[in-house]
Amino acid sequence: DTEVTQTPKHLVMGMTNKKSLKCEQHMGHRAMYWYKQKAKKPPELMFVYSYEKLSINESVPSRFSPECPNSSLLNLHLHALQPEDSALYLCASSQSRDRGFNSPLHFGNGTRLTVT
Amino acid sequence: GNSVTQMEGPVTLSEEAFLTINCTYTATGYPSLFWYVQYPGEGLQLLLKATKADDKGSNKGFEATYRKETTSFHLEKGSVQVSDSAVYFCALSDPGRSNDYKLSFGAGTTVTVRA
Repeated sequence: DTEVTQTPKHLVMGMTNKKSLKCEQHMGHRAMYWYKQKAKKPPELMFVYSYEKLSINESVPSRFSPECPNSSLLNLHLHALQPEDSALYLCASSQSRDRGFNSPLHFGNGTRLTVT
Repeated sequence: GNSVTQMEGPVTLSEEAFLTINCTYTATGYPSLFWYVQYPGEGLQLLLKATKADDKGSNKGFEATYRKETTSFHLEKGSVQVSDSAVYFCALSDPGRSNDYKLSFGAGTTVTVRA
């Protein structure tokens, strides 16, 4: 069982819908991440939160809006998506950088998003 | 910048065959190196890691040795099983970029093991 829990597992949404992806971890990690993964490709970093503050935004379109309500939760709000945004969205967590650079990322099983 | 190059495959093997997946890297400083595995329909799982030169990471029969002189971190398993069928990603984390949480991934190698 993964220690990073993502919901929902699957999501189908129209281009005018608003939906949210949720991620939760209870490992005490203070860094949390959103990745996008297309089929047969490596994950692409979207956002990083460190101590509940946005640390990295990889020039992601504004139709993706991250939120970190507390140290255990990470959300990704979706609005007016395009069909090309269909992908597996992965959440991950790790120790923060000030705890050392060797901390691996722990990934959830992802949300499979289809935009119609 | 940082980069990871790994053989893309796909790789198809018979059970009990020897598996090797090559991974080389370019980085500033002294990176930590990782192998992640992704089984069908799942997220990525950490398979093994090494944090300094000559370290050997091992898990579930897989091994990889951090070779600074050849900037490599090749993954090996002596006898694969059908359950090892998955996509394998080599990755690095560069401590030289102290405020940077980015993990650089290789392209991934799809491995299929046939009974």
